[in-house]
Amino acid sequence: DTEVTQTPKHLVMGMTNKKSLKCEQHMGHRAMYWYKQKAKKPPELMFVYSYEKLSINESVPSRFSPECPNSSLLNLHLHALQPEDSALYLCASSQGPSGHAPGEWEQYFGPGTRLTVT
Amino acid sequence: AQTVTQSQPEMSVQEAETVTLSCTYDTSESNYYLFWYKQPPSRQMILVIRQEAYKQQNATENRFSVNFQKAAKSFSLKISDSQLGDTAMYFCAFTAPQGAQKLVFGQGTRLTINP
Repeated sequence: DTEVTQTPKHLVMGMTNKKSLKCEQHMGHRAMYWYKQKAKKPPELMFVYSYEKLSINESVPSRFSPECPNSSLLNLHLHALQPEDSALYLCASSQGPSGHAPGEWEQYFGPGTRLTVT
Repeated sequence: AQTVTQSQPEMSVQEAETVTLSCTYDTSESNYYLFWYKQPPSRQMILVIRQEAYKQQNATENRFSVNFQKAAKSFSLKISDSQLGDTAMYFCAFTAPQGAQKLVFGQGTRLTINP
């Protein structure tokens, strides 16, 4: 099973709301990622979790708060977002940073959550 | 820092034709991996093909093949016998073991296959 799932598929929220995005994988991968993607642009890395610990934060505003409760699950908590945060939020996973086999560097992407901030 | 450049923002070909998408990259690393990802309209991003820098042989996956020129830092994707389902954004991407798991993307090429 090479599937990464994300819920919800679509989310509309006001600037004062608090919401969460969820990502799940059951491939035994030890690295998980959050990306933000604007239309017709490549994904922009936000966060990387490696072995359930935050290893990279690409200077993301604190209104985005990631969480990795276990090795299969990744959440992104949203609070006080701005309209410019409207985008497709992608989750991805890979086997992890410890190996040197080529396949371990492939990232598998979920379908994304289309977020609209009003 | 690594950079990836895709010089063709948009391309359009007729069904069954062969099309080549260009990608160049810049790195000082000797060990790295290159990928082509496909993102159909409103659909999931999927990996099309992967190339390890230490392998001289070009990777192939069915109708998809790459032309990897390490000295020139070029990594083009050839799609043979193109199909309507190949219509998508194509992203070239780079990663290196020393790169802290970061996947560096090019700006993408929007490919349209016309019937």
